[in-house]
Amino acid sequence: EVQLVESGGVVVQPGGSLRLSCAGSGFTFDDYAMHWVRHPPGKGLEWVSLISWNGDSTYYADSVKGRFTISRDNSKNSLYLQMNSLTPDDSGLYYCAKDDSGSNYCDHWGQGTLVTVSS
Amino acid sequence: SYVLTQPPSVSVAPGKTATITCGGNDIETKSVHWYQQRPGQAPVVVIYHDSDRPSGIPERISGSNSGHTATLTISRVEAGDEADYYCQVWDSDTDHRVFGGGTKLTVL
Repeated sequence: EVQLVESGGVVVQPGGSLRLSCAGSGFTFDDYAMHWVRHPPGKGLEWVSLISWNGDSTYYADSVKGRFTISRDNSKNSLYLQMNSLTPDDSGLYYCAKDDSGSNYCDHWGQGTLVTVSS
Repeated sequence: SYVLTQPPSVSVAPGKTATITCGGNDIETKSVHWYQQRPGQAPVVVIYHDSDRPSGIPERISGSNSGHTATLTISRVEAGDEADYYCQVWDSDTDHRVFGGGTKLTVL
């Protein structure tokens, strides 16, 4: 059974930094691209970032480009999101999601970790 | 960047058919995926590649894509179908994934 478990969400002040982690199990982690998707309170889902299976290619939504960095450690079956220069608009539930092997959709999701940016 | 437009809400009586639309420029040239998100839960894909159903998704949930509109259809609606539904595509120009704004399905 595929499992994705996010961690690292906390309350942080505007301008602060945070690193989210996602541990994957139940599948061959280094065979798949991985995503971060966020759900701001009262709003819809927003795709944040994607990393290829080997980490060589990364993509970011315009709203986070230059501030967020996605990375992975396949030896640890882990995905990360380094978030810098945070603003209240970055608040929300952050999901880690597995890509369906090049089909460009997310076939499995974690339960999310909550990030709150507030003074 | 590519934009997907969904109605904010759709209401339907139990046993009837719910139709949720997702509009986008020439969306028929893209592969559309649909997610269901029940309150307090993570999203679940219910339709991928316009009309394919993952295992475990009932046949009364179907999808289509033509022209500038993709459609998610839920037949014989049940109380358990009450959720937010999101369409999603891959924008090949930017390699970004794009979500629609979401539609809240209310079962009357």
